[in-house]
This record gives sequence, structure tokens and C-alpha cells, in this order.
Amino acid sequence: ELKVEQNPLFLSMQEGKNYTIYCNYSTTSDRLYWYRQDPGKSLESLFVLLSNGAVKQEGRLMASLDTKARLSTLHITAAVHDLSATYFCAVDAGGSEKLVFGKGMKLTVNP
Amino acid sequence: KAGVTQTPRYLIKTRGQQVTLSCSPISGHRSVSWYQQTPGQGLQFLFEYFSETQRNKGNFPGRFSGRQFSNSRSEMNVSTLELGDSALYLCASSLALSGAGELFFGEGSRLTVL
Repeated sequence: ELKVEQNPLFLSMQEGKNYTIYCNYSTTSDRLYWYRQDPGKSLESLFVLLSNGAVKQEGRLMASLDTKARLSTLHITAAVHDLSATYFCAVDAGGSEKLVFGKGMKLTVNP
Repeated sequence: KAGVTQTPRYLIKTRGQQVTLSCSPISGHRSVSWYQQTPGQGLQFLFEYFSETQRNKGNFPGRFSGRQFSNSRSEMNVSTLELGDSALYLCASSLALSGAGELFFGEGSRLTVL
């Protein structure tokens, strides 16, 4: 059974700081997705990582995938308050479930 | 381009009742997946439909069912509601059945069971 673990689950950081969050998964996959969810809202697709070594950047966020280590990172550069949200990683292992999600990381960026 | 549309957005039911939720995917998308989101269990996969056929199913009891119509619109039904069914139900559509298909989520239907 595929398991997806995110850490940390809660992060409070100051504006302007950098931080990296992690997503580990338990079985082989080369397809990983990052989503953002604002309170009371749906999931917004951030990144689609489809191969080992894939790196994608959008604004202050950069995501990477290491399929050998079964690890994805989401790096935050010079955080701003608007980045406050819950971030989910999800893995497609090609099994009976479409995507398996991590529990999400709630990020709070303080002025 | 219209996104994924879910109706109703909010609903309140009592235990023992049943509920039907609707999802209209992005035009041209043939795959529709359903997820349940709760604070305790997070996001859990319910089922996926493609070309009117259920292709994958998560670990939920038979009270949870769904279907897909020829226009790719999908409905899910929960019968004999229990308090634990209170959740945000999210529908997602994608072009592909599996593989590199990115999921696009609707706003969700928030169900409260009293």
C-alpha cells in the first residue's frame, strides 16, 4: 500500500525567510503532484513532476523530484504572507487509487 | 474555459438519509475522480470513472456509489448517511485515465450530517 508522508505538518515562518518542506513516499513512482489549498477552498495545482530529477519553479516556490530516494521537496524562497495555505503532495503509483495524498502541510507566513 | 463544477456546494442531511452530489468536468475531460476530505483522515480516494465505467475504487463501504454519464458528468451517492460521512467531497477531472494526467479539482460539496 502506497504511503505518502509530508513533513513538517505545520510550519510558521517569517516573511522573507527560506524553507524546504519534504514529501516521502513508499513505493516506486515517477509522478508526483503538489497542490495548494486555501481555507474553505478547493485544491489548486501547483506542480506536476513526471520524471526523476524534474525541477519546476513558479514564483517563490520550487519543486523537485528524486524518484530513487522517493522524495520530493518544495522550497520556499523569501516567503510572503500570500503563501499561507496548506500544501499537499500526491503520488500516482499506478495502482487502484488515482492519487494518494499526504496529510498536507499548513504554512503560516507571519509579517 | 470553465473549470470543474460541483453542486450543491453545501448541504445538511440527517443520519439515515441519502445524498447525491453532482460533478461536471472540464470540457473534453473524460476521467472524473472523487475524493473525501476530512480533518482526521485527510484526502481519501473514493472512485474514478472513465467513459461511463468505474475504473478504480478506494476503500469505502458500498454505501458510497457513483456513476458517469455519456457527457462525462458524474454523480456520487451516499446512502444511509452516518455522522462520519460529514466531509468535503471533491471531484476532479483529467484528460487521462491514469499516468501523466493532471487532476483539476472542483470547489467541493460540503456535506454535514446531523
